[in-house]
Amino acid sequence: EVHLVESGGDFVQPGGSLRLSCAASGFTFSNYWMNWVRQAPGKGLEWVATIKEDGSKIYYVDSVKGRFTISRDNAKNSLSLQMNSLRTDDTATYFCARGLLPYTSPNDCWGQGTLVTVSS
Amino acid sequence: EIVLTQSPATLSLSPGERATLSCRASQSVSNYLAWYQQKPGQAPRLLIYDVSNRATDIPDRFSGRGSGADFTLTISSLEPEDFAVYYCQQRSNWPHTFGQGTKLEIK
Repeated sequence: EVHLVESGGDFVQPGGSLRLSCAASGFTFSNYWMNWVRQAPGKGLEWVATIKEDGSKIYYVDSVKGRFTISRDNAKNSLSLQMNSLRTDDTATYFCARGLLPYTSPNDCWGQGTLVTVSS
Repeated sequence: EIVLTQSPATLSLSPGERATLSCRASQSVSNYLAWYQQKPGQAPRLLIYDVSNRATDIPDRFSGRGSGADFTLTISSLEPEDFAVYYCQQRSNWPHTFGQGTKLEIK
């Protein structure tokens, strides 16, 4: 069975950093594009970042460029999101999501999400 | 950035009725349009991709159609478990934007 499990969400002050992780199992991780999607409390979905199967192509939403870094370790079936210079509007549940083979998206499998709260 | 506008914001219907949800793009997204369902406290679930293709295990009461910039998701006969929020997403251009969602509620 396909599983994505996020971790690393926490309460952090503005300007702080956090690293999110996503552990994948039940499928050949290295064959899939992977994504981070976030959802602010009570709001809609926002695509954040995407990484190609081998890590050679990466895309970000403008609001996180220069602050967030998506990466993956195919040997460990793991996806990460390094978040620096966090702002209050980064507060959201962050979902790890798998691209529908062979595409970047849509996302056919999602984790349960991890909550990031940025507040002073 | 392509803006996706969903309508209506809220749709109130009864079980057994037909639901029609709209998603309009600010420019053509070709056929690269998907639909998701999200229930409270849960991750989104992919329903439809590339306008009209049902994802794995999605019942055939869900259907999608459209082209270019105008798309619809139809639920032919609502089941109690269909009441949720629905989002569209395009993958034609970066960023891969989502619509703001349509809440389908029980009348």
